[in-house]
Amino acid sequence: AQRVTQPEKLLSVFKGAPVELKCNYSYSGSPELFWYVQYSRQRLQLLLRHISRESIKGFTADLNKGETSFHLKKPFAQEEDSAMYYCARHCYGGSQGNLIFGKGTKLSVKP
Amino acid sequence: DAGVTQSPTHLIKTRGQQVTLRCSPKSGHDTVSWYQQALGQGPQFIFQYYEEEERQRGNFPDRFSGHQFPNYSSELNVNALLLGDSALYLCASSLLRSYEQYFGPGTRLTVT
Repeated sequence: AQRVTQPEKLLSVFKGAPVELKCNYSYSGSPELFWYVQYSRQRLQLLLRHISRESIKGFTADLNKGETSFHLKKPFAQEEDSAMYYCARHCYGGSQGNLIFGKGTKLSVKP
Repeated sequence: DAGVTQSPTHLIKTRGQQVTLRCSPKSGHDTVSWYQQALGQGPQFIFQYYEEEERQRGNFPDRFSGHQFPNYSSELNVNALLLGDSALYLCASSLLRSYEQYFGPGTRLTVT
């Protein structure tokens, strides 16, 4: 089965510090990878996807096929970045559906 | 556009009962997917509907069934509820060929 692993359940940093949320995926061809975010009392929403190579809210994520990783990074964390972050990959067909999610990492940015 | 809407917001059921959850997709979207999110876990795919047919199904028992209507809205039905079915049920809509899914706020189901 294809997997997405987020090794950290909780990541706590101070405002202005760099942040990196880790994501590893099981290898299978050319994956389509995403980061979703869920702010407190809000719905799950797409933050960014690797294919667009864009920066959203200062976050970037680079696909490293050699390490099968797709870590989310931001050079200077802000308090409003505090949220649950889920890494996900698109899966073609099979019983796992369109999106396979990791278990999520809760980011807490302290003032 | 209100985006993806789900009803009800919360639901409490007893073991063995049946439940129906509803979802209206984002305007213009034709595909609806359902996910179960247990506490402390990421969303897990249940099934996907397009053109009123189930296109893909995750590893969920037949107690979980669904339906899509001509207006693209969808229902998730769960029969013979178990305590383990307690979770947040998320609906996501998209265009069939698009990777991007838009999620609803979810329905919190508690089985006692």
